[in-house]
Amino acid sequence: EVQLVESGGGLVQPGGSLRLSCVASGFRFSSSALTWVRQAPGRGLEYVSTISGDNYIYNADSVKGRFTISRDNSKNTLYLQMNSLRAEDTALYYCAKFDSCYPCWGMDAWGQGTSVTVSS
Amino acid sequence: EIVMTQSPLSLSVTPGEPASISCRSSQSLLHSNGNTYLDWYLQKPGQPPQLLIYLGSTRASGVPDRFSGSGSGTDFILKISRVEAEDAGIYYCMQALQVWTFGQGTKVEIK
Repeated sequence: EVQLVESGGGLVQPGGSLRLSCVASGFRFSSSALTWVRQAPGRGLEYVSTISGDNYIYNADSVKGRFTISRDNSKNTLYLQMNSLRAEDTALYYCAKFDSCYPCWGMDAWGQGTSVTVSS
Repeated sequence: EIVMTQSPLSLSVTPGEPASISCRSSQSLLHSNGNTYLDWYLQKPGQPPQLLIYLGSTRASGVPDRFSGSGSGTDFILKISRVEAEDAGIYYCMQALQVWTFGQGTKVEIK
């Protein structure tokens, strides 16, 4: 069974940093493209960042220069380092895996999400 | 950035009746490899999204055959042939041709 479990969310002040983690199991992690998608309270889904199996990285314009996606294949773990956080980054952050690439399509497994609140 | 526009934004449907949701992209989602990079997702209340349809018209594993996706180029439709109570939630289209973008979502309520 495919599982994705996010952690690392919390309350942080504007300008602060957080690192989210997503531990994966049940599939070939090292060859899979993985992604972060967020959902602000009461809002729709917003794409954040993707890392492919061969480490190509893509980011939404809204997080470029502030967020960094990475992976540790030895730990089956995906990360999102978030710096210079803003109030508008407040959201539930989901990690998900793509079914296939290239282009990468079909986010066929999702975690339950981890909540990030940016507030003073 | 490819902009995705869904309509309607909300829908109230009687169980057993059909429903359809439209999704339009600001540019064609047809790749040179012949595939069309359009996914559909359903987010049920309190749950993460789940993949319903990929590559425009292929149902994901375990998705009931009452769900179907169609369309080409910039115009796409998700149809539910006979709505059931468990189909309530918010439906999103997402393009995967370039850096991914979602539609605004369509909230489906069951009467």
